[in-house]
Amino acid sequence: SQTIHQWPATLVQPVGSPLSLECTVEGTSNPNLYWYRQAAGRGLQLLFYSVGIGQISSEVPQNLSASRPQDRQFILSSKKLLLSDSGFYLCAFAGEQGGELFFGEGSRLTVL
Amino acid sequence: AQSVSQHNHHVILSEAASLELGCNYSYGGTVNLFWYVQYPGQHLQLLLKYFSGDPLVKGIKGFEAEFIKSKFSFNLRKPSVQWSDTAEYFCAVTGDTNAGKSTFGDGTTLTVKP
Repeated sequence: SQTIHQWPATLVQPVGSPLSLECTVEGTSNPNLYWYRQAAGRGLQLLFYSVGIGQISSEVPQNLSASRPQDRQFILSSKKLLLSDSGFYLCAFAGEQGGELFFGEGSRLTVL
Repeated sequence: AQSVSQHNHHVILSEAASLELGCNYSYGGTVNLFWYVQYPGQHLQLLLKYFSGDPLVKGIKGFEAEFIKSKFSFNLRKPSVQWSDTAEYFCAVTGDTNAGKSTFGDGTTLTVKP
């Protein structure tokens, strides 16, 4: 069966520090992968998506970047965190039909 | 640009009450529509989906939603809620040319009192 995992689950980082959130998918090959962010009391905002190794599309201008070094690995990074980067980050892959998304556990980032 | 509006931010019901959560979307083409649910401490997961065909779709745990194209709506319903339905509910839409790039509403928190 298909599974998705992301870590760390919780992260508290000072402003200006780097960030790396990792996501891996099992049980599927060449999945479309996505990073979403959920701000408090708001819906999910698509940040990045990838249709293959090394292929990254950014949906919104921001302080973050994404990489896909392997078929089933998707990484969200930042060189210098801002206070506004705080939020709940979700990795997801798309099902084969119609774009339904399967989400990871989420990573809660607090930037102080 | 596509957008999704969920009219109720927080809904409080007693067990056995009927539920209807509103969702309206704005999109200029063919859409796929979804409701996702996040139970306390669990992953965000799919509740039900509409791709085509019968506009009344049924999902898990007795939920259903009706796609009304003329109203750009996809409201979620359940005839009789249970305490275990307490969760946050998100409506989402994606165009068929960019499957997976979903636009989400802000979510509705449902609290069911026993």
